[in-house]
Amino acid sequence: AQKITQTQPGMFVQEKEAVTLDCTYDTSDQSYGLFWYKQPSSGEMIFLIYQGSYDEQNATEGRYSLNFQKARKSANLVISASQLGDSAMYFCANILTGGGNKLTFGTGTQLKVEL
Amino acid sequence: DTAVSQTPKYLVTQMGNDKSIKCEQNLGHDTMYWYKQDSKKFLKIMFSYNNKELIINETVPNRFSPKSPDKAHLNLHINSLELGDSAVYFCASSPRSSGLLAKNIQYFGAGTRLSVL
Repeated sequence: AQKITQTQPGMFVQEKEAVTLDCTYDTSDQSYGLFWYKQPSSGEMIFLIYQGSYDEQNATEGRYSLNFQKARKSANLVISASQLGDSAMYFCANILTGGGNKLTFGTGTQLKVEL
Repeated sequence: DTAVSQTPKYLVTQMGNDKSIKCEQNLGHDTMYWYKQDSKKFLKIMFSYNNKELIINETVPNRFSPKSPDKAHLNLHINSLELGDSAVYFCASSPRSSGLLAKNIQYFGAGTRLSVL
């Protein structure tokens, strides 16, 4: 069974600083996708960014970028210029191509942005 | 308009009762999902339907029965509720159940917080 590991249960960052949230995955498949979702205290799950296993460039979406290191099986999320509204739980997840589009999630990282 | 909407947002009920959670998406997607988030915030898929057909059925007690009357709706009925069913249940949808993952992002509803007393 595949596994997603997020080793940081909680992180603090100062406003306007950059922060990296770690994610490693364990799959022997060659074709897969990696996702990050944000869950603010209000509870909804918000899609942030996607990286495909065959994508040669790291994905970026506004202040979010994904530091994809395939050989190390890591897909870290980088948030630049942190804002107070970035305080939330962040989940890394992946899908194996041909796996029925089933998201497998990590345990999440609680990020708190401080003034 | 909300893309994936779930009702109710909160559900408090007694052990042994039967309850339903409704989900509707107006994105024109073919595939819908139910995920469960436990008290430790761990998310796990329960079911997936593609155009009204069940395609993923994880190891879930058969007290849980999904129903998809059409591809825009996926409801979750739970019989004989137990204390351990207390969780947040998320509905999600994606354009299809397979294919290019970049075009197949799953979008989630706001969740239904179920509390079984």
